[in-house]
Amino acid sequence: NAGVTQTPKFQVLKTGQSMTLQCAQDMNHEYMSWYRQDPGMGLRLIHYSVGAGITDQGEVPNGYNVSRSTTEDFPLRLLSAAPSQTSVYFCASSRTSADTQYFGPGTRLTVL
Amino acid sequence: QQQVKQSPQSLIVQKGGISIINCAYENTAFDYFPWYQQFPGKGPALLIAIRPDVSEKKEGRFTISFNKSAKQFSLHIMDSQPGDSATYFCAALQPGAGSYQLTFGKGTKLSVIP
Repeated sequence: NAGVTQTPKFQVLKTGQSMTLQCAQDMNHEYMSWYRQDPGMGLRLIHYSVGAGITDQGEVPNGYNVSRSTTEDFPLRLLSAAPSQTSVYFCASSRTSADTQYFGPGTRLTVL
Repeated sequence: QQQVKQSPQSLIVQKGGISIINCAYENTAFDYFPWYQQFPGKGPALLIAIRPDVSEKKEGRFTISFNKSAKQFSLHIMDSQPGDSATYFCAALQPGAGSYQLTFGKGTKLSVIP
């Protein structure tokens, strides 16, 4: 099993550009989530999904969209990138929202 | 409002010493308290976890102590090793509308020096 995979590993964007961060898991987990990690801020929940076709907002959802068309994939879209979105983004998955979450390796995003 | 407060921000411990990281919470609805370990350039990984009906849990050199009345819990790393150098996050899980949500502390960067 590959576990949770994320692409790309690094990305540089200009302000106003859009992009999609990819996340996939091969553990047949129902629950998937996106976090952002900023220095001294810990991990903050952006969006989450409890199953295919179901998504909801976390603590810091503004500027981000998600969709969950399959159990395996949970992409995160930045609609119009801003410097405040410079961060490291982690995708995680778990069997259910009450179970241990497994994290991907992260995507380091810089917005100029 | 920060729901899980973690201290210290950084910690330097000599090899063989005891590392102690503390967390406090306010929401009594939290019912599961995991600790995550993160090495540079990697994603966080579950280290050890505890439920509030237990006061202590030990796994090898890692121990969680839990004080329900004080709403505090801590991670103790015995015989700390340079390989333990990482960032540690406490977290708390609470039931919500239709799903549980995990809230993280801000992290503690541990450096174990030889």
